[in-house]
Amino acid sequence: NAGVTQTPKFQVLKTGQSMTLQCAQDMNHEYMSWYRQDPGMGLRLIHYSVGAGITDQGEVPNGYNVSRSTTEDFPLRLLSAAPSQTSVYFCASREGISEFFGPGTRLTVL
Amino acid sequence: GQQLNQSPQSMFIQEGEDVSMNCTSSSIFNTWLWYKQDPGEGPVLLIALYKAGELTSNGRLTAQFGITRKDSFLNISASIPSDVGIYFCAGLGSSNTGKLIFGQGTTLQVKP
Repeated sequence: NAGVTQTPKFQVLKTGQSMTLQCAQDMNHEYMSWYRQDPGMGLRLIHYSVGAGITDQGEVPNGYNVSRSTTEDFPLRLLSAAPSQTSVYFCASREGISEFFGPGTRLTVL
Repeated sequence: GQQLNQSPQSMFIQEGEDVSMNCTSSSIFNTWLWYKQDPGEGPVLLIALYKAGELTSNGRLTAQFGITRKDSFLNISASIPSDVGIYFCAGLGSSNTGKLIFGQGTTLQVKP
């Protein structure tokens, strides 16, 4: 199994640009999440999904959209990038209570 | 909302020393988890605790679920250089959403 994969690994955007961060898992997990990690803030939940076709907001959802058309994929869309969205983004899928994290996407918004 | 306060924020220790860190909350959690994040990687689960008072070990790591269900502790004995990283506590609350709440992290540096 590849586990949780994320692309791209690094990305630089200009303010106002849009983009999609890709996340895929091959473990057939129903529960998937997106987090952002900022220094001194830990991991904060952006959006999550309990299964295909179902998504819900986390702690910091503003400026982000998600969709879950398949069990495997859970893309995160930035609609109009802002410097405040500079962060490291982690996708995770869950089995039981254990989150399996991807390697992360480091995003810089200029 | 529910929040976790993790301390200390960072530690710089000598190889061979023991390490202690803790996580506290004003809310009750039903499950406590401890994760480690190596530089440039995603966090990996170290230990899961399921009931108040539980003490669980994983090699040199020992974690405890506080009796009040509002805190948890992680100890690392005889630290080695590969223990370097960020340690996160996480709590799973009583709501049925299954959302994990993470602490701010403890950055550990080990001097050989």
